[in-house]
This record gives sequence, C-alpha cells and structure tokens, in this order.
Amino acid sequence: DTGVSQDPRHKITKRGQNVTFRCDPISEHNRLYWYRQTLGQGPEFLTYFQNEAQLEKSRLLSDRFSAERPKGSFSTLEIQRTEQGDSAMYLCASSFQQNTGELFFGEGSRLTVL
Amino acid sequence: KQEVTQIPAALSVPEGENLVLNCSFTDSAIYNLQWFRQDPGKGLTSLLLIQSSQREQTSGRLNASLDKSSGRSTLYIAASQPGDSATYLCAVASGSRLTFGEGTQLTVNP
Repeated sequence: DTGVSQDPRHKITKRGQNVTFRCDPISEHNRLYWYRQTLGQGPEFLTYFQNEAQLEKSRLLSDRFSAERPKGSFSTLEIQRTEQGDSAMYLCASSFQQNTGELFFGEGSRLTVL
Repeated sequence: KQEVTQIPAALSVPEGENLVLNCSFTDSAIYNLQWFRQDPGKGLTSLLLIQSSQREQTSGRLNASLDKSSGRSTLYIAASQPGDSATYLCAVASGSRLTFGEGTQLTVNP
C-alpha cells in the first residue's frame, strides 16, 4: 500500500499525559501536512513541512504541540500535558509540490483525553 | 481570512436521484479547490481537484464546477446510490493550506 499511513489509529489517554502520533506520507511526496478535526466540523490546518523544514504553523498549534519531520520522510506530532479539549481526529496529508497540489489524506489518529 | 461555507448541511434523497452540493468561499484568490468524501470515523478521500484556471472536472458520476469570480463551486452527483452516503467536504487552497467547509452529510436511501 503506497497511501498515507498513520499510527496509532486510536489513542485514549488521561489528562496531563503526553501522546505522539506518527505519519508516513506517500513516498515521493515532499510536502506533509497536519490537520485537526473535531466532531461535525471540517479539518483545521495545524502545520506543514516541505522536506524536513517546518514552513508554517497555525495559531492552533499551542506550545504544548510539537511536530517534526527529521529526515524529510515520516513525521511525528507530539502533544504534551494533554487536555480534554485536545480530543479530536488528527489527520495527516501529503502532496508533491511540483504536481497539481492535490492532497492525499491518511485515515487519521483519533485522540480521546479523559 | 478565507471562509468556506457548504449548503445544505445535510441532505437525504432516494436512490437514483441526481443531486447538487454547494460550496462558497469568501476570497477568490485561490490556487485550487478540492472535493473530498469522508465516511464516519475515517480519513478523507479525494474526489476531484479543480485548478483555479479550470471551470470543471469530471470523474465517473461526479462533476465539479468552479466559478472563482463568484466564489462558488458545486458537486453534482448523478444517479445516486446508497454507497454514496457520506460527508462531502469542500476545501480551497490559498497558499500552502487548505481551508475546509463543515461538510454536507448525504444519505441516499434504498
């Protein structure tokens, strides 16, 4: 399968714990995006990378959130000291910059903070 | 700030009907517009992408149009089937990010 893969698919944690999500993009894609989606809403942009460089971050990405893409391949999104308001679906997408700009999404990682 | 609105929020139709989903956006300076499908608890599946210089795109029973000057797009689904039941999301690309609408939840009844 050469699609975008995310892990874990589901994570239940207690408030105050740290969680980390991983995203493996389509192999030839150099752009990687993170979005957050709450129930009944459309996804909201969090951040994106071109290769290993993090080029843009949303104001939604508080200082408890950190994203990395160390070798320009997979990416991780870490949330420290989780709060109940962090409960959401975290979606990863990738695209090839020189192409049409079409984004391809993974299945998402659903976070529930108790 | 780009804002995207989708109407209606929900739609229920009998199988076989043709239907239109609407999307409007406030800033016409877009790079492209993409329609997605989302099944409950799942990620997004790309359906159609229209570049800002294009007027429409077709894939099978789906046809999407774009009128950039008026800030509107429509997704036309022909001969709807129960398997088309899902949430349909419109997203516009402005610079490096996509701005999404809240989606239209479609139910096609057998």
